[in-house]
Amino acid sequence: EPEVTQTPSHQVTQMGQEVILRCVPISNHLYFYWYRQILGQKVEFLVSFYNNEISEKSEIFDDQFSVERPDGSNFTLKIRSTKLEDSAMYFCASRRQVNTEAFFGQGTRLTVV
Amino acid sequence: EDKVVQSPLSLVVHEGDTVTLNCSYEVTNFRSLLWYKQEKKAPTFLFMLTSSGIEKKSGRLSSILDKKELFSILNITATQTGDSAVYLCAVRNTDKLIFGTGTRLQVFP
Repeated sequence: EPEVTQTPSHQVTQMGQEVILRCVPISNHLYFYWYRQILGQKVEFLVSFYNNEISEKSEIFDDQFSVERPDGSNFTLKIRSTKLEDSAMYFCASRRQVNTEAFFGQGTRLTVV
Repeated sequence: EDKVVQSPLSLVVHEGDTVTLNCSYEVTNFRSLLWYKQEKKAPTFLFMLTSSGIEKKSGRLSSILDKKELFSILNITATQTGDSAVYLCAVRNTDKLIFGTGTRLQVFP
């Protein structure tokens, strides 16, 4: 069964460093997303991406964040200068078309120290 | 402000019990309501509901949406220990999902 894959599963980084979280969405999907879940809190929307551009972003997704689809398969989230409060589980999700369900990857646990 | 509220926050039952999880919402530009099960990491998809009154069913799980009263329920009959998880309700607003805090279900033998 096709699935969304994310790497790495866990990343530890020092405050101020740049990190790139990687995702391979399901191959025939057209809409891509990043969500995050701080420990013990709700899953929160960060950004949606369609047709090679951001279609919507939340207040969390400030200038420190960027997304890219560098080739036909990968979808990345970059955090330029990490802060302690960026520590969270980051989920990538994709869906095929409008009004279909989104499928989530296993997540990358980011720990900023 | 858009919000999704789930209740109860936590539920402890014995195997074989039936449970009902609740989700109410106040969301502009409602598109659909989704239920996910989160065991360790990734939310796994259960149901997507777009129309009122039509029950979706998968094995022992079922769900229904009421768009007039702005809520949905998820029922699990004959619970098993493998049903232990956090159940997330999410509402699609334009192109994003707005999640509730989840209901933590623990099923004991």
